[in-house]
Amino acid sequence: DAGVIQSPRHEVTEMGQEVTLRCKPISGHDYLFWYRQTMMRGLELLIYFNNNVPIDDSGMPEDRFSAKMPNASFSTLKIQPSEPRDSAVYFCASSWGGLNNQPQHFGDGTRLSIL
Amino acid sequence: GEDVEQSLFLSVREGDSSVINCTYTDSSSTYLYWYKQEPGAGLQLLTYIFSNMDMKQDQRLTVLLNKKDKHLSLRIADTQTGDSAIYFCAESILDYGGSQGNLIFGKGTKLSVKP
Repeated sequence: DAGVIQSPRHEVTEMGQEVTLRCKPISGHDYLFWYRQTMMRGLELLIYFNNNVPIDDSGMPEDRFSAKMPNASFSTLKIQPSEPRDSAVYFCASSWGGLNNQPQHFGDGTRLSIL
Repeated sequence: GEDVEQSLFLSVREGDSSVINCTYTDSSSTYLYWYKQEPGAGLQLLTYIFSNMDMKQDQRLTVLLNKKDKHLSLRIADTQTGDSAIYFCAESILDYGGSQGNLIFGKGTKLSVKP
């Protein structure tokens, strides 16, 4: 089975540009999570979806960040306009929820550098 | 609010046992997890324990749970240089529907194994 697939693996762009990160969750999983990891703040949950519906976006830093999940097999995290402080590794994870809890499975991340 | 605390660093010699400790706050958590992150990679699930258990063993890994003190530990026997990584403790929390779809992560413990 393929795991969680993220693209691109690395992104380097200039501040002010729009950045779009992509994620394909594991087939059959009904939860999808976006995280950001930095040295200073560790792993932060940005937003998560259940059955394609955003459940909690309280971790999204500001209006420059937006996330969508148009269908069960695809999600995007967009930053517009990007700033140097957005540089981090962004992880997508998916899980199957329900009463019998299942662990989250992580993608390999997108390393984002904003110059 | 929910919080998960871990010490940031641990250094051991190859062949010794490593013990990584974690405390959590949400007494309703029913699952607790240990993830491993190697440099440049995503988080991999190592093991997890259900809250009605106090111990779980899986080859070189032993997880101990003290639910009264909300304390979780991960013991790695015969630690090898390949075990050098960051180890994250995580607790599950209930979402709006009562399903446990979300995790709260600690900041991670960086394990260094010296030959």
